[in-house]
Amino acid sequence: DTAVSQTPKYLVTQMGNDKSIKCEQNLGHDTMYWYKQDSKKFLKIMFSYNNKELIINETVPNRFSPKSPDKAHLNLHINSLELGDSAVYFCASSQTRGIQYFGAGTRLSVL
Amino acid sequence: AQSVSQHNHHVILSEAASLELGCNYSYGGTVNLFWYVQYPGQHLQLLLKYFSGDPLVKGIKGFEAEFIKSKFSFNLRKPSVQWSDTAEYFCAVSSTDSWGKFQFGAGTQVVVTP
Repeated sequence: DTAVSQTPKYLVTQMGNDKSIKCEQNLGHDTMYWYKQDSKKFLKIMFSYNNKELIINETVPNRFSPKSPDKAHLNLHINSLELGDSAVYFCASSQTRGIQYFGAGTRLSVL
Repeated sequence: AQSVSQHNHHVILSEAASLELGCNYSYGGTVNLFWYVQYPGQHLQLLLKYFSGDPLVKGIKGFEAEFIKSKFSFNLRKPSVQWSDTAEYFCAVSSTDSWGKFQFGAGTQVVVTP
């Protein structure tokens, strides 16, 4: 069983479109995260939720909106996609302050 | 602000050579330290971690790291690398007084040649 699963794995879309990425974890963790990995492999945290409550909200355009319907799910919705949004987006989960386990990533290409 | 610095961006070495990757962080409080590995096209996997106790920690696949508090360092080592160790290696730091916010280093790409 995959511990942290993301869908889709690949996402190719046009500028201006709206898209969502879904993440689910079956580890029983209480905290989930979204990271963006750019073309230089630099990883930067975007958001974190603990028990469905937003606890980390880095400087991210408000076109990005996370939603956590329950503590096992954290989705990322992106409005009005721009070229600069092209990246690999990783979801992760952990127990509070613990080791983070990562999903396989979603490679987003904005054309 | 918290920051993590990895000294080498690219390392190329031959099989059986020894590997050491440097990681320094800047943070005044108590930290947890991690090394993650990302094989080509794959997700990040935990290699090893340090929370407290013995500053020399052993991880998977023959990797180890040493926490030197006075130097704010957490260097990764492997005595003899294999071709399969070709990957991107990330050092990460989280402070114990925050919500587990990880600060990642820029990563070191390691290429092991046969």
